[in-house]
Amino acid sequence: GAGVSQSPSNKVTEKGKDVELRCDPISGHTALYWYRQSLGQGLEFLIYFQGNSAPDKSGLPSDRFSAERTGGSVSTLTIQRTQQEDSAVYLCASSPAQRRSTDTQYFGPGTRLTVL
Amino acid sequence: EDKVVQSPLSLVVHEGDTVTLNCSYEVTNFRSLLWYKQEKKAPTFLFMLTSSGIEKKSGRLSSILDKKELFSILNITATQTGDSAVYLCAVPNNNDMRFGAGTRLTVKP
Repeated sequence: GAGVSQSPSNKVTEKGKDVELRCDPISGHTALYWYRQSLGQGLEFLIYFQGNSAPDKSGLPSDRFSAERTGGSVSTLTIQRTQQEDSAVYLCASSPAQRRSTDTQYFGPGTRLTVL
Repeated sequence: EDKVVQSPLSLVVHEGDTVTLNCSYEVTNFRSLLWYKQEKKAPTFLFMLTSSGIEKKSGRLSSILDKKELFSILNITATQTGDSAVYLCAVPNNNDMRFGAGTRLTVKP
């Protein structure tokens, strides 16, 4: 496809369950970001992948959160033992830029996660 | 601490009005400022600004950056109901893209 895609678009889960969120970046984009946006809040950085380099995980809020990017393309964000405060929209973005500070990021439609 | 502050947090206008959204920032090693429009879930890129005083325009939207006073404004003229959205300002720093909380614009018919 032409843009960033994410799946599922909506996910409702019970507290304590694990969830996986998927992101397909724009083909050829080397950089991939995950963000979280809680209701009424700005975007919160979670993790950054650039090519084959080690990811910047400095934004992950706890060790229940992890992400991987296989083959430099598709990425999966995993949240283990979900809590109600994990409820948010999780946005993925990709960028063709090699340098982070000059990025223009293209966002996917997001996954709305609701933890009951 | 790096931060991006947007104002107002929300704004309600009628079709045809002109609005100005503000974004101030404090970021080390500033390189660029970006504006996004967010409807429903995904932010859509609007502008990237890197130089002071140079206005960027796209239709009824325009934006300008002041690197001395550390702020940017986004103007929308002749607003339409389709302009209703959250407008996000973002500034990359050394480690990530720092976003403001956004301005929620509602344009009433």
